[in-house]
Amino acid sequence: TQLLEQSPQFLSIQEGENLTVYCNSSSVFSSLQWYRQEPGEGPVLLVTVVTGGEVKKLKRLTFQFGDARKDSSLHITAAQPGDTGLYLCAGAVGTGNQFYFGTGTSLTVIP
Amino acid sequence: DAGITQSPRHKVTETGTPVTLRCHQTENHRYMYWYRQDPGHGLRLIHYSYGVKDTDKGEVSDGYSVSRSKTEDFLLTLESATSSQTSVYFCAIRAGKGVKFDTFGSGTRLTVV
Repeated sequence: TQLLEQSPQFLSIQEGENLTVYCNSSSVFSSLQWYRQEPGEGPVLLVTVVTGGEVKKLKRLTFQFGDARKDSSLHITAAQPGDTGLYLCAGAVGTGNQFYFGTGTSLTVIP
Repeated sequence: DAGITQSPRHKVTETGTPVTLRCHQTENHRYMYWYRQDPGHGLRLIHYSYGVKDTDKGEVSDGYSVSRSKTEDFLLTLESATSSQTSVYFCAIRAGKGVKFDTFGSGTRLTVV
């Protein structure tokens, strides 16, 4: 079992639709990050959330950290083909030096 | 990726042979990490280093060892490769001042036959 579970695992939507990806755990995290990864490349950081209940916006992407700091969500408004990729959440536990990643959500936006 | 290089990018090896993957950084970052990525599992932490000669295990460390004799290099060794170690391996670096990874490498695709 993994520390962070993401849902859904796969998502295929039409351009212009909205979507939400969830990242859940039974553990408390000092912070959570969201990354996006494209084929053949390493993950690229989108955002870091630190405070319980925190909401951050990055253009059409909205990130929220749960009040108890055990979960997070990523909401995309009016998805575009350029949003296609693998979305990963990650959190630090223990000393803060061990980072654990979620299982990933593969998003395909169809033009 | 700028500041971090993984080598080789692709490798095919036979079961039972030792394999070493290299991660080289030019950022002088303190922390370096090795992850493996498999479908349905995201990235799983193998080992990480918090300084020269200072390393610690991650969640999937069995069958792997690491060494860091210089700040810029972090080596991952599969002592006796098995088919279950077929994966894509990523190195990441972190300065330590924030709560995020600064850069990921482009990955090494390892196939054990």
